[in-house]
Formats: sequence, structure tokens, C-alpha cells
Amino acid sequence: QKEVEQNSGPLSVPEGAIASLNCTYSDRGSQSFFWYRQYSGKSPELIMSIYSNGDKEDGRFTAQLNKASQYVSLLIRDSQPSDSATYLCAVKTIGFQKLVFGTGTRLLVSP
Amino acid sequence: DAGITQSPRYKITETGRQVTLMCHQTWSHSYMFWYRQDLGHGLRLIYYSAAADITDKGEVPDGYVVSRSKTENFPLTLESATRSQTSVYFCATKGGDSYEQYFGPGTRLTVT
Repeated sequence: QKEVEQNSGPLSVPEGAIASLNCTYSDRGSQSFFWYRQYSGKSPELIMSIYSNGDKEDGRFTAQLNKASQYVSLLIRDSQPSDSATYLCAVKTIGFQKLVFGTGTRLLVSP
Repeated sequence: DAGITQSPRYKITETGRQVTLMCHQTWSHSYMFWYRQDLGHGLRLIYYSAAADITDKGEVPDGYVVSRSKTENFPLTLESATRSQTSVYFCATKGGDSYEQYFGPGTRLTVT
């Protein structure tokens, strides 16, 4: 079992819809969770971080964390074609300074 | 403020040659990381450094060497490049108590 798992997609949504991206992790001791956006040919860009159970909202983005079920999700409201990218989930486990990344979910938003 | 820069941005080299990828940061972040990104594998950690003169192996260190004599620089050397090291290489930093990492623009390396 991979430490951090994401559906590779592509996830296709129409413009204006809500995109829901999911990530599961295997280490129950994981403490910190991050979502990165990566456009084709570019470097990963941090868009959200979440540390405690529940929801965290930032503009059109909402991160949701459920430690009991070991999953973290990212909701993108009012999706725009400019949101089309690969979204990487990253997890920090206890005792380490390193992040473990999922392989990413490709999101396609059609006009 | 440039943040993190990487050089070169593109490099083509031959099997067996030594190649050094450079990473420079202007934030004085203590932690620096080297990742490679390959289709199907995602981002994999090669080496990381907690401070000057402190480095440690990541998930895929074989064939790579790092050094960190100054806080702002973290070069990655492929001592004898192989085709399997064809990849996109990203440098990242982390500062203070936060676990958030920030990535440089990347170097696309092709080994022929």
C-alpha cells in the first residue's frame, strides 16, 4: 500500500461546477497535510495546508481533513478552466521533516 | 526577491558524465530538499539538508551526491549519469516551524 494515494484521473468537470479531489494516507501518525497545484511543465505550488480535523476555507478552495478515516480532500468551487492542473496531496508524518507526496490527480475544467 | 532558483533549467548530457544541478535560495530557510519527478512515480525525495553541513538520504539517493557548505546553496551532483536519471529535478525549501515546502522552477535533465 502506498503511503499517500490519489486517483490519477483525469477528473473532468464543467466550468462553474465543484471539483472534489481526494487523498488517503496510511500512517495514522500523520500530522500535517498539504495540497499543491502543478501546471504542466511547472513546479508544484502550495495552495492549502490543513492540520486539524474539519474544514479549512480559502477563497474558492476548501480542504477537508478526517484523521479517523485517514483521508483529506480538496474542494474547488466555481471551477474555472484555469484550475486545470494536477493536484498533489502531501503528508507529513510524525517525527520527520519530510513530506510524502501522492502521484497527483489531473483536473480538467471544460468551458 | 527571487526565492528559489535552479540552474540550469534544461540539461542534456551523456551517460557516464558528471552533472551538477544548482539550487539557490534567498530566504535563509534552514531546510532544503531535492526531489525528482517521473511519470507514474510522482515526487520522490533524493536528499535533504537540515542546515549547512547536515545532509541526509531520502527515498532514492543512489547515484547522487549532495553538499551544503552555505545555507543558501544546495547542489546535487550525478557522479556518473545514467539514462534512468533522466527526470525533472526540483529543489524545495522549508523554513522555521512550518512544514510547508516551497519549490524552485525545476531542471529538466536528459541523459542520452
